Amino acid sequence: EAQVTQNPRYLITVTGKKLTVTCSQNMNHEYMSWYRQDPGLGLRQIYYSMNVEVTDKGDVPEGYKVSRKEKRNFPLILESPSPNQTSLYFCASRSDLIAEQYFGPGTRLTVT
Amino acid sequence: LAKTTQPISMDSYEGQEVNITCSHNNIATNDYITWYQQFPSQGPRFIIQGYKTKVTNEVASLFIPADRKSSTLSLPRVSLSDTAVYYCLVGERDTGRRALTFGSGTRLQVQP
Repeated sequence: EAQVTQNPRYLITVTGKKLTVTCSQNMNHEYMSWYRQDPGLGLRQIYYSMNVEVTDKGDVPEGYKVSRKEKRNFPLILESPSPNQTSLYFCASRSDLIAEQYFGPGTRLTVT
Repeated sequence: LAKTTQPISMDSYEGQEVNITCSHNNIATNDYITWYQQFPSQGPRFIIQGYKTKVTNEVASLFIPADRKSSTLSLPRVSLSDTAVYYCLVGERDTGRRALTFGSGTRLQVQP
């Protein structure tokens, strides 16, 4: 089954404690993205990747890092989380720039 | 970056046809128009995509006038399960950069 998986699905952490949210897709897609969703703001893109070792900033990259060492994986790293990063995070992948995006189930992060 | 404008919310009743219009006045020649549906606490799901005129699939129809400055998503005979947020996105030129910025979407509420 074609899918995008994220882990963990729920995470509560404290300010400053580094964390990683994993994302994996089994469709051999080149393009992957991370979004955050906050009430009233829709989905905002954090980072995207066009292929292995090729990443670039989206609309709200501050406070986040990503890496793309393998085609299937695109982890999101928060080196020093802060409360304003409390949000619902989605990973997505697509085969090319105009193809439909496949979204993961989401990760709800709370930073206290 | 083509910006989209949609109504914030719409109400309908079961069995009715729902039309959601999206404005994208500065759409570029190579841009495609894509619609996604999102249920609470789930990732968006692709509905339909088009470039011009009319596109129809098993779920919806997409009408795009000749000037392409707007588009209308048509959902025939909605049911309670169509209650969701609907996003209109316009794809950028294929320059290798990020594409498809999500706006705030249209919240559709279907009543019995």
